[in-house]
This record gives sequence, C-alpha cells and structure tokens, in this order.
Amino acid sequence: QQQVKQSPQSLIVQKGGISIINCAYENTAFDYFPWYQQFPGKGPALLIAIRPDVSEKKEGRFTISFNKSAKQFSLHIMDSQPGDSATYFCAASRISGSARQLTFGSGTQLTVLP
Amino acid sequence: SAVISQKPSRDICQRGTSLTIQCQVDSQVTMMFWYRQQPGQSLTLIATANQGSEATYESGFVIDKFPISRPNLTFSTLTVSNMSPEDSSIYLCSAGGQLSYGYTFGSGTRLTVV
Repeated sequence: QQQVKQSPQSLIVQKGGISIINCAYENTAFDYFPWYQQFPGKGPALLIAIRPDVSEKKEGRFTISFNKSAKQFSLHIMDSQPGDSATYFCAASRISGSARQLTFGSGTQLTVLP
Repeated sequence: SAVISQKPSRDICQRGTSLTIQCQVDSQVTMMFWYRQQPGQSLTLIATANQGSEATYESGFVIDKFPISRPNLTFSTLTVSNMSPEDSSIYLCSAGGQLSYGYTFGSGTRLTVV
C-alpha cells in the first residue's frame, strides 16, 4: 500500500515534443503529490506538486494531471528542451506520526534530443 | 526554502571502516531525514533524525549500522558503520518544517566501498 508505481523507466523525446510520465498509487492516505527533478550529481529538487482536490495544475511548461478515482497522476512537459534532460521522480506524501513522509516512485530518465 | 550542505560530496572507503556524513542546513528546521539512493534508482528513507532524541529508523535499517545524531535544529550526521561493498550508494539529507509539503534535499554523498 506504500508503493508508488512510475512509468516509463526511460523516455526519449525530440526537442519541442511533449514528455509524459505516469504514476499510480494505492494508499488513499496520501494527500499531496509532488514531482522532483534530479540532475546528475545533485539532489532531487521540487518541481511541481498537486493536492487531490484539484484535477490539474500548470506551472509554465509543466502540468500535473490528477485522477483521484483512478489513483493516478501524470507529469506533462510541453515543448520539451534539452535542458529538461534529467531524472524525474513522482512522490506521494502523507502524515506519518507527527511528520510528513514521502514515498518516491522508481524514477524516469528523460532525454530530450536537440 | 532551506539550503542544505552535505559533506563529503564523495568518498572511497575500505570495507570494514566507517564514514560519517554531515548535513548542515542554513536555517532551523524541524525535520531532517536521511535517504539512500542506489545509482539509477529511487530514494529509500533510512531514518528520521529527531532533535534531542533517538532517530526513527525505517524497516530494514538499524541504529548499529546507521547511527544518526541531531544535536540541534540545523545539523545532523549519518554514520555508515562497518562498511561493505553493498553500502556503496548515494546518501542524501533532506530537511523541512514538521508538516512541510515539500522537503529540500542536499546534493548527496556518493560512497564507494572497496
């Protein structure tokens, strides 16, 4: 119940194309769904996040779509750029004890070709 | 958001020895966490570093192997004890408020055990 399943494992997109990464969860206690972006040699950085009472959130070229009934959410990167090449992790957050805990997906390595 | 500095950024250690990783945050934070990330894989939570009390370990991680200190609200250490090649990994520190929706990560410590 703690798992967050992420696909695909890797993704290659042409510059200007749309990158789509999908995640699914089981535990309905999760109440916050962030996406992290990680470049080689760096720690993950919060990219965008959504709460389950919203079906979509857009920040610039990045959009999260959320389907509460299906327990699925996805990241869309519009007009993908070579600088977007990184590993993307979806995550799900819930309160555990007195703090929030993150459960990460397995990651998607995105390569955007020039 | 908080800025996290981790030291060392990388190290190569002999099996059977121990390595202490330091995590310094530029502001007081309630929560500090330690994660492990195998190369090319997702993040696994090792423990929550509690200020003034013993760390809370996740299943599969024990205090004898991964002792953690948290002497104040800006600093924590993780020691990897009696290392074996299986401990080769990236170790990441994360921090934020008690119920923060998004935690900040350090750049990580890349450990290789030979």
